[in-house]
Amino acid sequence: DTEVTQTPKHLVMGMTNKKSLKCEQHMGHRAMYWYKQKAKKPPELMFVYSYEKLSINESVPSRFSPECPNSSLLNLHLHALQPEDSALYLCASSQDTGSDRVYNSPLHFGNGTRLTVT
Amino acid sequence: SQQGEEDPQALSIQEGENATMNCSYKTSINNLQWYRQNSGRGLVHLILIRSNEREKHSGRLRVTLDTSKKSSSLLITASRAADTASYFCATKNYGGSQGNLIFGKGTKLSVKP
Repeated sequence: DTEVTQTPKHLVMGMTNKKSLKCEQHMGHRAMYWYKQKAKKPPELMFVYSYEKLSINESVPSRFSPECPNSSLLNLHLHALQPEDSALYLCASSQDTGSDRVYNSPLHFGNGTRLTVT
Repeated sequence: SQQGEEDPQALSIQEGENATMNCSYKTSINNLQWYRQNSGRGLVHLILIRSNEREKHSGRLRVTLDTSKKSSSLLITASRAADTASYFCATKNYGGSQGNLIFGKGTKLSVKP
């Protein structure tokens, strides 16, 4: 079992719906990430939060809105999605994001939310 | 953008055999990591090798890094059916102060009992 918990495991939503994905970790990690993974492809980084502040947005469309209410929680709010947004959404955490002079801690992933947009 | 390129894309072996996967990358790196992903699940970190290291072991895993060739290999010895999964290398580049890991395309390993 993973130490990063994602809910829900599966989500089906229409293009006009608003939904949220949730992620929780209690390892004291200060960096949290959202990745998107299409079938047979590697994970693609969407957002990075460092110490509860958004530090990277990989030019993600505004229909995806991240939120970090506290150091243990990470949300991804979804609105007006398109069918091509259907994918596995993975949350991850690490001790910190580090820098070139600092040992970079590995990522701990949740099992993801399988999102289908109809 | 993708950095690592694994080969082969798919590998099928018998239980007990060794499996070798390779990863090539393009720019200078701080470290290189290998992850495993079982079908429909999250990724699990296997091993991290720093740019000043050449070889690292963890149980049945052996990772090598050749920074002059910008390549790494992952060797799984005495494979088991439970090793069936996709394996990704991921690199942390210099200059990426926010710890942005870039994943390669992955190798799908199938170990037949």
